[in-house]
Amino acid sequence: NAGVTQTPKFQVLKTGQSMTLQCAQDMNHNSMYWYRQDPGMGLRLIYYSASEGTTDKGEVPNGYNVSRLNKREFSLRLESAAPSQTSVYFCASNKLSGGDSGANVLTFGAGSRLTVL
Amino acid sequence: SQKIEQNSEALNIQEGKTATLTCNYTNYSPAYLQWYRQDPGRGPVFLLLIRENEKEKRKERLKVTFDTTLKQSLFHITASQPADSATYLCALDNQAGTALIFGKGTTLSVSS
Repeated sequence: NAGVTQTPKFQVLKTGQSMTLQCAQDMNHNSMYWYRQDPGMGLRLIYYSASEGTTDKGEVPNGYNVSRLNKREFSLRLESAAPSQTSVYFCASNKLSGGDSGANVLTFGAGSRLTVL
Repeated sequence: SQKIEQNSEALNIQEGKTATLTCNYTNYSPAYLQWYRQDPGRGPVFLLLIRENEKEKRKERLKVTFDTTLKQSLFHITASQPADSATYLCALDNQAGTALIFGKGTTLSVSS
């Protein structure tokens, strides 16, 4: 079981370039999430998808777009990268713990480290 | 808006001692609270969840308490080991119940 797989693991972009971070989960989870993690700021929610076909903004959505391609895949796109988007990006999916139905217990990917010059 | 505060950025203790990490929250009454562990270069990993009607929950050397009056959770690691060194994050559901919001984390260092 691979869990949550993110690609690429590392990427360097120039200001203004675009790119897409890919995320796939093989746990048949309904909900998927994109967070960014910055020193001193903790994890902040960018976008989430409660189910296939739906997406919603989180705390810091500006400069990003997402696509819930199917139940397994949730991609994050930077249309015109800015240095402020230098961060580590984490994808996660919702695991329902056996004894805690309704709890948003998350399984995270390993992260994608993005540097924008 | 909801706020979560983990009031220590770093905690250094000696092997064998008990580590106690604190998580405080405001402007919200969550149904449950979670703790995650994050190692350098990796994603967070779920450790424990405690519900609002539970005072305490244990898992091996880990113990979590949840005081809804104080709006505080304490996370204890007993008989700490160097392998427990990591960043520990507390997390709550947002008010819509659609996603988790996280504290900034406390980095624990256990020296031998």
